[in-house]
Amino acid sequence: GAGVSQSPRYKVAKRGQDVALRCDPISGHVSLFWYQQALGQGPEFLTYFQNEAQLDKSGLPSDRFFAERPEGSVSTLKIQRTQQEDSAVYLCASSLVGTSQETQYFGPGTRLLVL
Amino acid sequence: DQQVKQNSPSLSVQEGRISILNCDYTNSMFDYFLWYKKYPAEGPTFLISISSIKDKNEDGRFTVFLNKSAKHLSLHIVPSQPGDSAVYFCAASVLYGGGADGLTFGKGTHLIIQP
Repeated sequence: GAGVSQSPRYKVAKRGQDVALRCDPISGHVSLFWYQQALGQGPEFLTYFQNEAQLDKSGLPSDRFFAERPEGSVSTLKIQRTQQEDSAVYLCASSLVGTSQETQYFGPGTRLLVL
Repeated sequence: DQQVKQNSPSLSVQEGRISILNCDYTNSMFDYFLWYKKYPAEGPTFLISISSIKDKNEDGRFTVFLNKSAKHLSLHIVPSQPGDSAVYFCAASVLYGGGADGLTFGKGTHLIIQP
């Protein structure tokens, strides 16, 4: 079956520009996660949805970052007024039910470069 | 403060020999541990996991060992194959009211299998 997909795969933005990153989770997966991976680092948690409810957004670095999942499937991560420090790979992951001891399956990521 | 540490940025192993990747953690609330493998320009791929109630989990060539008292886990790959060359991430999660939680990742170890 299809895995987690993300689009675009690459995005170049000018500083100050708004960007929107899309994630299509595995069909039927209840939980959806966003992570940010800076160069040479491991992924860092940003936010988590269970269906359409955003249950944890403690990892969002600033109020310029906003995520939504209005119908409980596709999710969008929006970054307003992008800054150079936002340059990173943004990874989306989904899991089936949403329990703590459950595997998260990752998409290929969107590589964002802010100039 | 890094809660999951992978102290070896890279590891070189000869094909056919055993690869041992190490991971240390500081948060005693972590109760589920995972290893992910990542190729360039792809998202992390789930490899193997272990619950804190176990000390060993085996899947084919891959075995994960957990030493809770030392807050240490390791991934053994035997025999190592050229296709195992990738970056390996150790990740951990906390039991939080039975719900899902964002994973905490280490910085990764780049495993290079030499022919």
